[in-house]
Amino acid sequence: KQEVTQIPAALSVPEGENLVLNCSFTDSAIYNLQWFRQDPGKGLTSLLLIQSSQREQTSGRLNASLDKSSGRSTLYIAASQPGDSATYLCAVRSLGGSEKLVFGKGTKLTVNP
Amino acid sequence: GAGVSQTPSNKVTEKGKYVELRCDPISGHTALYWYRQSLGQGPEFLIYFQGTGAADDSGLPNDRFFAVRPEGSVSTLKIQRTERGDSAVYLCASSLRQGTAGANVLTFGAGSRLTVL
Repeated sequence: KQEVTQIPAALSVPEGENLVLNCSFTDSAIYNLQWFRQDPGKGLTSLLLIQSSQREQTSGRLNASLDKSSGRSTLYIAASQPGDSATYLCAVRSLGGSEKLVFGKGTKLTVNP
Repeated sequence: GAGVSQTPSNKVTEKGKYVELRCDPISGHTALYWYRQSLGQGPEFLIYFQGTGAADDSGLPNDRFFAVRPEGSVSTLKIQRTERGDSAVYLCASSLRQGTAGANVLTFGAGSRLTVL
């Protein structure tokens, strides 16, 4: 059974700092991995999707890496801004036909001005 | 529509009552997903539709939960004999047909917050 863990559960940083969010998963037989952002009272917004054959994806100040063999992914946020404050969720889709995603509990990020 | 629409946004009901939650996906999205998110937890998969049929309902917790998508567009999640433990935010997402660009990217609705007293 796939399990996804995110560390830390919460993170508070000053504006401008570069930061890394961590995600680990127990079963390396994955189809893809996604990072989402969730704002309070709102749904999830997809940030980056990494296919199992890829090592990383970049979008603006965000960079996500994937090390499938070790069961790890990181989300790197450069030059953080107060608007980046949100909960960041990692989700894994496993091989085997089902399209369900298994989510971690998320990392709550606060960027202080 | 422009996004995934879920109604109601908030629902308060009493233990034992029947509840329906509606999801209107993005036009043209053939895949539709239901997830449930409890406080402090990540979303938990419930069911996935490809077109009108449930392709994977392995996440439905018990037979009190049922979902339909009769015309391959709008979906309704139905909960019978609600219990306090059913209280959560129910999230719906949709995506394009598999094999098309962006097929794996899910667009989520804002969710329906269910509170069972």
